[in-house]
Amino acid sequence: AQKVTQAQTEISVVEKEDVTLDCVYETRDTTYYLFWYKQPPSGELVFLIRRNSFDEQNEISGRYSWNFQKSTSSFNFTITASQVVDSAVYFCALRSGGYQKVTFGTGTKLQVIP
Amino acid sequence: EADIYQTPRYLVIGTGKKITLECSQTMGHDKMYWYQQDPGMELHLIHYSYGVNSTEKGDLSSESTVSRIRTEHFPLTLESARPSHTSQYLCASSDLGHFNSPLHFGNGTRLTVT
Repeated sequence: AQKVTQAQTEISVVEKEDVTLDCVYETRDTTYYLFWYKQPPSGELVFLIRRNSFDEQNEISGRYSWNFQKSTSSFNFTITASQVVDSAVYFCALRSGGYQKVTFGTGTKLQVIP
Repeated sequence: EADIYQTPRYLVIGTGKKITLECSQTMGHDKMYWYQQDPGMELHLIHYSYGVNSTEKGDLSSESTVSRIRTEHFPLTLESARPSHTSQYLCASSDLGHFNSPLHFGNGTRLTVT
């Protein structure tokens, strides 16, 4: 079985603040993939990043960065200098080796206040 | 970029009606999925398919049915809609050959049953 926990249900920050969205996962497999998706108010889910279990290198893409730590089973997502356009629901997801279904966390709703 | 389309975007129907939610993708992906998303954000997998003539029930029990007669098409049908079916329905696809392939989502269908 696999599980993804996003303990933060809602977060509000003032524009230009940094914010970190937490994601903790559980799986018994040694091979797995982690994903982050963004769901803006319009409703569609947009793929942001994937990371495989063998690559713990952190990644930065503009104002976005991801911190993958196998020791704590976490894959946290940080937005630097947040903007109003970052307001959305963010989902963390897990697909483990040999397991074709993708398990999503419950999502974190981020509101960036101007 | 993903090309996956859902119609209709919004649908309001009366109780007891039969409806079909359409989902098509032009990427040649083998795997397709239907998720139901509660107002509280959580995504629930209700159906998935590994390819033509393959369909499986997901984690959440659903009164809907699906079919996969063509690779690109994965419609979802409710024989008799009820108010409890009011939700957003998200279709997704992914490449079976690449385990790290992310899900590509359509824009969703917001269904309201009165």
